Amino acid sequence: GDSVTQMEGPVTLSEEAFLTINCTYTATGYPSLFWYVQYPGEGLQLLLKATKADDKGSNKGFEATYRKETTSFHLEKGSVQVSDSAVYFCALVSGGGADGLTFGKGTHLIIQP
Amino acid sequence: GAVVSQHPSWVICKSGTSVKIECRSLDFQATTMFWYRQFPKQSLMLMATSNEGSKATYEQGVEKDKFLINHASLTLSTLTVTSAHPEDSSFYICSAYGGGRSNQPQHFGDGTRLSIL
Repeated sequence: GDSVTQMEGPVTLSEEAFLTINCTYTATGYPSLFWYVQYPGEGLQLLLKATKADDKGSNKGFEATYRKETTSFHLEKGSVQVSDSAVYFCALVSGGGADGLTFGKGTHLIIQP
Repeated sequence: GAVVSQHPSWVICKSGTSVKIECRSLDFQATTMFWYRQFPKQSLMLMATSNEGSKATYEQGVEKDKFLINHASLTLSTLTVTSAHPEDSSFYICSAYGGGRSNQPQHFGDGTRLSIL
């Protein structure tokens, strides 16, 4: 079945540091890939997505590129802020939007001032 | 953008009580709604998928008699945790999918934190 593996945290960085959160996947067919963010006590918000190989999703300074050859979708940001502290989930859907998402375990990101 | 409203956001109740959680899509018709469960510091696990007007499809290991799902309209799905016990305490999150292109994302509610005493 489908699976998503992402680096486990917590990841602690100083403000303005460069961020990478690794995510790799296994899936049948050609999945769509997503990064969701969850702030404390809240639900999930879509951060960015990519639907085919070599697509780059971007939002709020975050980027991730769909790499089919390495089955990866690593999340990056050039300069993190304290407000970026949250849990980040990598996810995929294989069969289309009408199927449930498969999530990674989440990476807790802590940004220190 | 699309908004999904989930209610209540927090429930504390005694063991043996049944609890109903509502999930509403506010500005689109949700052909499919999903219910996930999240344990502390863990990922979201899909519990069930519901399509409007039909029975929900449950994931392996999820008790359908314990977690009753109703999707009576294109804007509302409910999850009822029947005779809840402390082990049912968790964070429950719904999401809604409006159909159309298959690469459209699901939109999530803010979740319901259920605590059974």
